[in-house]
Amino acid sequence: GQQLNQSPQSMFIQEGEDVSMNCTSSSIFNTWLWYKQDPGEGPVLLIALYKAGELTSNGRLTAQFGITRKDSFLNISASIPSDVGIYFCAGQQGNTPLVFGKGTRLSVIA
Amino acid sequence: DADVTQTPRNRITKTGKRIMLECSQTKGHDRMYWYRQDPGLGLRLIYYSFDVKDINKGEISDGYSVSRQAQAKFSLSLESAIPNQTALYFCATSDLNQPQHFGDGTRLSIL
Repeated sequence: GQQLNQSPQSMFIQEGEDVSMNCTSSSIFNTWLWYKQDPGEGPVLLIALYKAGELTSNGRLTAQFGITRKDSFLNISASIPSDVGIYFCAGQQGNTPLVFGKGTRLSVIA
Repeated sequence: DADVTQTPRNRITKTGKRIMLECSQTKGHDRMYWYRQDPGLGLRLIYYSFDVKDINKGEISDGYSVSRQAQAKFSLSLESAIPNQTALYFCATSDLNQPQHFGDGTRLSIL
């Protein structure tokens, strides 16, 4: 099946630092989504991208839909302890279910 | 997301037992999904349903079955549980061309 390559797998950063993670695919997607999962909970949608080249922000989070439609990145500025969790990218083609990356586990050191 | 409710939240059972995980939603979405999460492997799709009469296999459907009893209910069954089905299971819902919304998961342990 389709696969998304999400990197890095894990990150340890100091509070206040900026974070960047990305997803790449060999297939074209027409939707890119970014989710965050806190311990003991289900993934929660952070940002949805529907158009190639689109750059969207949600507070300290910014995500972009790559021009080739095969990649997306998520940036978090000025990280805080509550940013800890697992971040997932997901892509969708047409009417098919989402394909998820394997996640980036973020740890923030105060 | 309280609009997508999974029961039970935790379950420990023995190899060979039949298990049913239930999912109900109050979002009025037509589409429902079951995923499995294992450490380092992300979310893998087991089954999905686009409406009450529609059931589709996902990436890892072997050993699982589902039932869409109503628009709001989608249950996942393990007919004869085995230890490598120990995982975190998530139900999700969506409308056409809209992002998926997830429940809080069921942690299943098979001894």
